[in-house]
Amino acid sequence: AQKITQTQPGMFVQEKEAVTLDCTYDTSDQSYGLFWYKQPSSGEMIFLIYQGSYDEQNATEGRYSLNFQKARKSANLVISASQLGDSAMYFCAMSTRTDSWGKLQFGAGTQVVVTP
Amino acid sequence: DGGITQSPKYLFRKEGQNVTLSCEQNLNHDAMYWYRQDPGQGLRLIYYSQIVNDFQKGDIAEGYSVSREKKESFPLTVTSAQKNPTAFYLCASSANSYTDTQYFGPGTRLTVL
Repeated sequence: AQKITQTQPGMFVQEKEAVTLDCTYDTSDQSYGLFWYKQPSSGEMIFLIYQGSYDEQNATEGRYSLNFQKARKSANLVISASQLGDSAMYFCAMSTRTDSWGKLQFGAGTQVVVTP
Repeated sequence: DGGITQSPKYLFRKEGQNVTLSCEQNLNHDAMYWYRQDPGQGLRLIYYSQIVNDFQKGDIAEGYSVSREKKESFPLTVTSAQKNPTAFYLCASSANSYTDTQYFGPGTRLTVL
């Protein structure tokens, strides 16, 4: 069975600093996708970034980048130049080709609080 | 604007009543999903549908039912058999591949009184 682990329940980061959110995953499938979502206090899940298991380069989307270390089964999210609006819950998720098309397995999440 | 709508935003139900949560998408996505989120936890999959008139149970389907009569719509019924229905419910849709991003609606917060 596949599993996503986020070991940091919460963290504080100062505005304009970078922050790294940890995510490790476990799957025996060779074909999978890794996703990061942001959930502000309003509750909506906002897609941030995607990394495919066969992608050779780390994904980047604006201030978000994904540090993908396949051998270590790690997919950490890096947020550069944090802003107050980045305060939210962040979830790592994975889908695999064999475990039902598009079915996402989520981690428990990391609460980020950005301070001035 | 393309997106996913869920209604109502807040829903209150008495014990023993069935209640239906609405989910509509105009993204022309084949796949739709229902998740449940409890306070301080991640999302758990209730049901998903990859095509009209077909759906599969997720990890926590007991006490829930769904239908998929139209591509755009995937309503979720929380039945009286669901022992602890108070939660935040999120609907999502995607283009139906493990590499495709799921996009979420704003959610419905259900409280059982």
